[in-house]
Amino acid sequence: QVQLVQSETEVQKPGSSVKVSCRASGGPFTGISISWVRQAPGQGLEWMGRVIPILGLDKYAQPFEGRVKITADRSTRTVFMELSGLTFGDTAVYYCARGSTPTYFFDYWGQGTLITVSA
Amino acid sequence: SFVLSQPPSVSVAPGKTATITCGEVNIGNTGVHWYQQKSGQAPVLVISSDSDRPSGIPDRFSGSKSGNTATLTISRVEAVDDADYYCQVWDGNSDLYVFGPGTKVTVL
Repeated sequence: QVQLVQSETEVQKPGSSVKVSCRASGGPFTGISISWVRQAPGQGLEWMGRVIPILGLDKYAQPFEGRVKITADRSTRTVFMELSGLTFGDTAVYYCARGSTPTYFFDYWGQGTLITVSA
Repeated sequence: SFVLSQPPSVSVAPGKTATITCGEVNIGNTGVHWYQQKSGQAPVLVISSDSDRPSGIPDRFSGSKSGNTATLTISRVEAVDDADYYCQVWDGNSDLYVFGPGTKVTVL
């Protein structure tokens, strides 16, 4: 059974950085990608970027270019998303999601991590 | 890149059929996937690649695509179907994923 388990809720100050983890268990760690999707309060889903763990290849949505970094540690089957220059607008639930290839949908999701940016 | 459009809301009585559309000019060239998200929960894949239903998803959920529009149909709607629904595509030219704005389905 595939599971994605994310790190816990955090509160961060404006201008700081946050690093969220997503540990994958069950299923292969090859032939997949892990994406990060965020959801601001009362808003829709927004894709931020993805990493292909076996290759270490990352790709980011334009709004987050230069401010987000997604990395993978194959030894622990853990993917990290680091977001810098936090503003109040970054307050959201952040989800990791497993992407399949070559069909490119998200078949498993983490439970979500609430990041609150507050002074 | 893709810009997906969805109706903001759909209301349906129990036992009836709910239809949610997802439109985009080039949607015919890529697979469309649908997710259900209940309040306070992570999204769940309900339809992949236009019309495939993952294991464990009731057969009341079906998907189709014609021209520039993909459609998620929920037949014999139940109270548990009250949720937000999002369509999603992958843009192969730019290697980017795109979500639609979401549709709130309210079961009356």
